[in-house]
Amino acid sequence: EDKVVQSPLSLVVHEGDTVTLNCSYEVTNFRSLLWYKQEKKAPTFLFMLTSSGIEKKSGRLSSILDKKELFSILNITATQTGDSAVYLCAVPAGGTSYGKLTFGQGTILTVHP
Amino acid sequence: DSGVTQTPKHLITATGQRVTLRCSPRSGDLSVYWYQQSLDQGLQFLIQYYNGEERAKGNILERFSAQQFPDLHSELNLSSLELGDSALYFCASSVVPGGAGEQYFGPGTRLTVT
Repeated sequence: EDKVVQSPLSLVVHEGDTVTLNCSYEVTNFRSLLWYKQEKKAPTFLFMLTSSGIEKKSGRLSSILDKKELFSILNITATQTGDSAVYLCAVPAGGTSYGKLTFGQGTILTVHP
Repeated sequence: DSGVTQTPKHLITATGQRVTLRCSPRSGDLSVYWYQQSLDQGLQFLIQYYNGEERAKGNILERFSAQQFPDLHSELNLSSLELGDSALYFCASSVVPGGAGEQYFGPGTRLTVT
């Protein structure tokens, strides 16, 4: 069964700090890894990492994938209070359950002013 | 705004009742996914439809069923409701049936069973 584990489960920082969120995974037939940000409502898509795209960056957020060690990290630099959210990591299933995303428990990030 | 719409936003009902949650995917997306999010279980995949056909099933209870209509909107039916069914139910959509690509989530329906 596919498995995604995120750490830490929660993180409290102050504005301006840099944070690193971790995601390790076990999946049959790896195809991609996705990061989502969830504020009070729906998860919103951040990045997708694949074998051919192991680094992504958007503004203050960046992510890398280590396929050998089966993990990914999400970095947020110069954090702002608006970055406070739950960050979710997910992998799509292979095989007959193609459409299924398996999510990690999430990291709750709180950024204080 | 992801372009995925869900109705209703909130639903409060009693144990034993039946409810229907509705989802319209983004324009052009043929695949619809249903997820359940509860505090103790996190985000759990329930079921996927692609162009009207069931594609993949997760840990969906037998009391739950879904379908996707010709206009591609989808409905999730929950029956014989129990207190433990209280959760956020999300619908997501994507262009491809089950590729490695991103899924876009709707705002969710918060179901409270009393």
